[in-house]
Amino acid sequence: QVQLVQSGAEVKKPGASVKVSCKASGYTFTSYYMHWVRQAPGQGLEWMGIINPSGGSTSYAQKLQGRVTMTRDTSTSTVYMELSSLRSEDTAVYYCARVGGVIMGGFDPWGQGTLVTVSS
Amino acid sequence: QSALTQPASVSGSPGQSITISCTGTSSDVGGYNYVSWYQQHPGKAPKLMIYDVSNRPSGVSNRFSGSKSGNTASLTISGLQAEDEADYYCSSYTSWSWVFGGGTKLTVL
Repeated sequence: QVQLVQSGAEVKKPGASVKVSCKASGYTFTSYYMHWVRQAPGQGLEWMGIINPSGGSTSYAQKLQGRVTMTRDTSTSTVYMELSSLRSEDTAVYYCARVGGVIMGGFDPWGQGTLVTVSS
Repeated sequence: QSALTQPASVSGSPGQSITISCTGTSSDVGGYNYVSWYQQHPGKAPKLMIYDVSNRPSGVSNRFSGSKSGNTASLTISGLQAEDEADYYCSSYTSWSWVFGGGTKLTVL
């Protein structure tokens, strides 16, 4: 079955960077785009960006442009999301979510989430 | 890109039907038939319930249905059950980016 397994929780200081991984299995990795979505404590979902695992092309949310970088390693079927210049407002659970079918459609399935805490 | 507008909360009794609205603009909800809905239980990852406005993924109960009129999409849950109590989020495609609604807390009385 399709499965997305993310890396473990992180604690970072303001100004640092964090890199979260998402390992895919159960399907052809390069055939489906992957999204990253975050959720601050008690808040709603926020779309961060999307990566094409085949060619590596990306599209990022305007709000995060310049701070977020999404990459992939096809040899291990893993996508990565790196966020730099961290501030307290970046404290959130970060999810990877595969495109379910057509690129513009729903996100399915989702990873289990990775809690990133930014604190001095 | 502004978030889509959802009611903060809705409630209903077991067996009843409820509808959650999701209002956007002609640039997102009104411009594309790519609205999706997600269910999220506390401490869990979101789960896709409806995609492309009105399609249900395999395994999702037919008590869940979606529709759209103009710039507003809707999720209807019929025959409410206790397990439906959760947060619900809508999302729409909008020209190589995606936007979510603020979320709606469904309480089953």
